[in-house]
Amino acid sequence: EIVLTQSPATLSLSPGERATLSCRASQSVYSYLAWYQQKPGQAPRLLIYDASNRATGIPARFSGSGSGTDFTLTISSLEPEDFAVYYCQQRSNWPPPITFGQGTRLEIK
Amino acid sequence: QVQLVQSGAEVKKPGASVKVSCKASGYTFTGYYIHWVRQAPGQGLEWMGWINPYSGGTNYAQKFQGSVTMTRDTSISTAYMELNSLRSDDTAVYYCARDLLEAVEVYVFAYWGQGTLVTVSS
Repeated sequence: EIVLTQSPATLSLSPGERATLSCRASQSVYSYLAWYQQKPGQAPRLLIYDASNRATGIPARFSGSGSGTDFTLTISSLEPEDFAVYYCQQRSNWPPPITFGQGTRLEIK
Repeated sequence: QVQLVQSGAEVKKPGASVKVSCKASGYTFTGYYIHWVRQAPGQGLEWMGWINPYSGGTNYAQKFQGSVTMTRDTSISTAYMELNSLRSDDTAVYYCARDLLEAVEVYVFAYWGQGTLVTVSS
């Protein structure tokens, strides 16, 4: 099973600052990595797929990069509504085909 | 607009079964795979499997093989997830999610239902 490790577990920043979230895979997932945002009491929302493609309607301040085992989600300038939990997710051919990271909580400093 | 609307919260006793529905609208139901993902309280996300609404074909995560059944009713654009032999650690919010691309399973969850809380307690 491919394990995704997200860091940091919690990130404390202020609105307007830049956020950098990391996701590391235990083996290569090529570019098959997605990022989701989840707010309390809500379903996750797709932000980025295939490492760097923004989903429909996602603001340009969200960007993704990386390939192989190391990936980054960057939020260029935090808005108040960006404070949430972020999950990465890989899709590969290894069983199970889908795993998620444990999440990074982005909180207001 | 794409919408997935799930059935309401359930409380079940250990050993019972639960069936959660997911009604789709705003797109061609048979064109996109539906996945089920669950989230235990305060925990992360766990993929359970998918159903191809066109063919009815399914693919379950190994952990859930033998205990989960995914079905669909194309006449009402609704997918179902039934989980048997419930245990307390099955207590979770269960989400349906539509895949990103048409006619192929790419395991990118582009649209999500609102979630259904299933509580298993004696």
